[in-house]
Amino acid sequence: GENVEQHPSTLSVQEGDSAVIKCTYSDSASNYFPWYKQELGKRPQLIIDIRSNVGEKKDQRIAVTLNKTAKHFSLHITETQPEDSAVYFCAARHPNTGNQFYFGTGTSLTVIP
Amino acid sequence: GAVVSQHPSWVICKSGTSVKIECRSLDFQATTMFWYRQFPKQSLMLMATSNEGSKATYEQGVEKDKFLINHASLTLSTLTVTSAHPEDSSFYICSAREDRGKGYTFGSGTRLTVV
Repeated sequence: GENVEQHPSTLSVQEGDSAVIKCTYSDSASNYFPWYKQELGKRPQLIIDIRSNVGEKKDQRIAVTLNKTAKHFSLHITETQPEDSAVYFCAARHPNTGNQFYFGTGTSLTVIP
Repeated sequence: GAVVSQHPSWVICKSGTSVKIECRSLDFQATTMFWYRQFPKQSLMLMATSNEGSKATYEQGVEKDKFLINHASLTLSTLTVTSAHPEDSSFYICSAREDRGKGYTFGSGTRLTVV
C-alpha cells in the first residue's frame, strides 16, 4: 500500500516568517494530495489540495507544490500568523484502494507572536 | 458546503459496555464513509471503509467483530465499539465526500473514554 512520510514533526516560526512542511509518498499511482489543518480537539479541515496533473497551486498565503518524479509534495505558508498554529496533515489518495486516504504523521506548527 | 454530523462528541463508558457513534451526511449522499482513529498527538489511522448496503472493508489489524460498522443508508453510517476496554479510548472520526465535491469532509469527531 501507500506510505506517506511527513517532516518535520514540529515547527516553530516567528510571526511573519514562512513555514514549509514536506511529505513524500511511495506509490506513483497516487493522484490526489490534500492538506488538512487540525486545531486541538477539532476535526481536520481541508485547506488546500493538488492533483497529480498540476505542479503548483496557490490560495492566498498557502501554496502546495508537487514533484511527481521525486514523489514529494510540500505545503508553504507565507506571512504566518498566530492563528496558523495547529497540526497539519498531508495525505495521498490512491485510486486503486477505494479512494482511501493515507495520512502523514502530522506537523505541529507554532507561530510565535 | 457538504457537512458531516457526528454524534456524540464525547462519551465516557464503563469497561465491557458498547458505544455507538453515528455519522450523518447532511444535504448530500455519501455512498462511502471512512472511519479513522486518532491517538493523542498522532495521525489519523484509517480503520475501515464503509459502503452503503454492503459490508465494510477493514484495515489490517482492526478487529471487525469489535468495531462494528453499519452503513444502512446513503446518509448514515455507524461505528459500534463493542465490549470497550480502556485501550479503546481514543478520538474517532468519520469522513465522506459529496460526489464531485471538493475534498473530503470530516465529522466533528467523538472522544471516547473507557473507564
